[in-house]
Amino acid sequence: DAGITQSPRHKVTETGTPVTLRCHQTENHRYMYWYRQDPGHGLRLIHYSYGVKDTDKGEVSDGYSVSRSKTEDFLLTLESATSSQTSVYFCAISESGGEETQYFGPGTRLLVL
Amino acid sequence: AQSVSQHNHHVILSEAASLELGCNYSYGGTVNLFWYVQYPGQHLQLLLKYFSGDPLVKGIKGFEAEFIKSKFSFNLRKPSVQWSDTAEYFCAVRGSSASKIIFGSGTRLSIRP
Repeated sequence: DAGITQSPRHKVTETGTPVTLRCHQTENHRYMYWYRQDPGHGLRLIHYSYGVKDTDKGEVSDGYSVSRSKTEDFLLTLESATSSQTSVYFCAISESGGEETQYFGPGTRLLVL
Repeated sequence: AQSVSQHNHHVILSEAASLELGCNYSYGGTVNLFWYVQYPGQHLQLLLKYFSGDPLVKGIKGFEAEFIKSKFSFNLRKPSVQWSDTAEYFCAVRGSSASKIIFGSGTRLSIRP
């Protein structure tokens, strides 16, 4: 398995609070991604990064921000959590954005009450 | 815009039955195609991928998939399933000039022992 960890693995929070999820990789891969997984929707891309300080939006970016100050860390922040953001969040990495496979982290299960 | 359709949301089979999961994509250019598997409580793992060459791709655990360009399809097959194949299966596509992968909504496979 690729060296990807996510923290926390589980979190319960209240509506309106900010939440930050961390993805850490030891592979020195250039690309990092945040997805959310919801029943009936598969995985949907929230944001991705193609290098330090270089990020772009995915298909469901509203209400989320990201930061990448180091190659190994990609942070996802829910600025003001809502119940619709209850989901399982997966981080993924790939060596490049070209013909490269994405490898996934173990996921973070977030419940917003 | 690229998209992926998995028409079977839940498939139930008995052990030793043959499996075929459908995947159709929409994209006008050259594509990379993937099948990922998610076992209960685990993260996504790559089963197989197609980038170019032989359209019949063999993956891990006896799975294979065939890319049929004229049908925009990349169906997953296994001749004889086992109870341990119980999982959710995701088809994914990436346009060759893109860095983002689009996932289908997934097919849940249940195997009766």
